[in-house]
Amino acid sequence: AQTVTQSQPEMSVQEAETVTLSCTYDTSESDYYLFWYKQPPSRQMILVIRQEAYKQQNATENRFSVNFQKAAKSFSLKISDSQLGDAAMYFCAYRSYAAGAQKLVFGQGTRLTINP
Amino acid sequence: GAGVSQSPSNKVTEKGKDVELRCDPISGHTALYWYRQSLGQGLEFLIYFQGNSAPDKSGLPSDRFSAERTGGSVSTLTIQRTQQEDSAVYLCATRLAGGPGYEQYFGPGTRLTVT
Repeated sequence: AQTVTQSQPEMSVQEAETVTLSCTYDTSESDYYLFWYKQPPSRQMILVIRQEAYKQQNATENRFSVNFQKAAKSFSLKISDSQLGDAAMYFCAYRSYAAGAQKLVFGQGTRLTINP
Repeated sequence: GAGVSQSPSNKVTEKGKDVELRCDPISGHTALYWYRQSLGQGLEFLIYFQGNSAPDKSGLPSDRFSAERTGGSVSTLTIQRTQQEDSAVYLCATRLAGGPGYEQYFGPGTRLTVT
């Protein structure tokens, strides 16, 4: 079974600075997806960015980018120019490419605080 | 268009009572998931529905938990004889059918408190 580990329960960063959230995973599969979700106090999970394992190029979405290291099974999220609205819980998630439920397997989450 | 909606937003119930949680998917989304988010266990998969196929119930923690999806649309998660350890946020997510690349869209969840 796949597992996802986020080793940083909490992180904080000054507004306008850059922060990196860590995620490692364990799988025997070669094809899969990785995601970062944001969960603000409203509880709504919002997709921040996703990465297909077969793509070597790291995904980017505006101020958000990932560092995907397939061999090391590492998938970190970098947030540049942090804004107060970025404060939330961030979850790393894995999804198999294989047929079936394609359920998401989540890490434990990292609570990100933005200091003004 | 409207997103995934869930009701109630919050539910407080006494230990031993049954509860029903509802999920209204995005129109046209045939795949539907229930997840549970609790303090000790993080986010965990409960059950998956896809069209008329038999649901994947592999994540249900006990036989007190059941779910159904009527007409391929609205889903109800039922917890019988609730226990304090059932206290959690229950999240519903839906997506389009087809390839694995389709994103799951989440609802705002139902916070269940069992007293």
